[in-house]
Amino acid sequence: EVQLVESGGGLVQPGGSLRLSCTASGFTFSSYAMSWVRQAPGKGLEWVSGISGSGGSTYYADSVKGRFTISRDNSKNTLYLQMNSLRAEDTAVYHCAKQWSGWYLDSWGQGTLVTVSS
Amino acid sequence: EIVLTQSPGTLSLSPGERATLSCRASQSVSSSYLAWYQQKPGQAPRLLIYGASSRATGIPDRFSGSGSGTDFTLTINRLEPEDFAVYYCQQYGSSPGLTFGGGTKVEIK
Repeated sequence: EVQLVESGGGLVQPGGSLRLSCTASGFTFSSYAMSWVRQAPGKGLEWVSGISGSGGSTYYADSVKGRFTISRDNSKNTLYLQMNSLRAEDTAVYHCAKQWSGWYLDSWGQGTLVTVSS
Repeated sequence: EIVLTQSPGTLSLSPGERATLSCRASQSVSSSYLAWYQQKPGQAPRLLIYGASSRATGIPDRFSGSGSGTDFTLTINRLEPEDFAVYYCQQYGSSPGLTFGGGTKVEIK
C-alpha cells in the first residue's frame, strides 16, 4: 500500500523559511516523479512544484518560482520542499503526491499545514 | 496557461439522483491529459478518472467521464451518500506542470 506522510509544517513569520518533508513507502520511490500541491483554507487545489524520479528535473508554479526549491533523497525515500521568503498567501495545507502516467496524481498524503503570519 | 472553469459551483442533489459536472478549458486539452479527483472534508484528494474517461483503480462504475477539446463532463449515476464531496478537474499538457479547476461541490439536497 502506498503511503505518503508529510511533516514540517507550522507557524512562520512573513519572510521566514520552512522545509517540508514527505516520507514515502509502499512503492519504488526513485521510479516515480513527485509533486507538491497546496490548498489554502477553504479554497481549491494549486500545484506548486514537481520533480522527476532521479531528481534531475524540477518544475515550479510561477507563484513560487525563485522562492521554493523541491528536492528528493531517493536513499531515504523522502521528498522535500524548501520554502523561503514566505508570504501570507503561502498559507495552506501542503500535500505531496505521487505522479503516474505523466502528470496524474494517483496517491496523496494527508498534508501538513503551513501558516504564514506575524 | 490553460485555465479550467468548473460549473456549477455547487450542485444540490438527493441520493439516487444523477450528478453532471462540467469542466471547460480555455484552450483545447488533449483527452489523454484530463483527470477528475474527489475530495471529502479533511481528506486528501483521490484520483477518479484519467484520460478523460478511464476509471482509476477501485473506482465504482457509477462514475464516468467524457468529453474532448475544451468541454469535459464527470457523471455520477445514482448518487451514494459517500459521493457527496468536492470534485476537481485537472489537466496537463506540453509544458511541465498541471492546473486544476476551481471545484464543484456536490451537496445533499
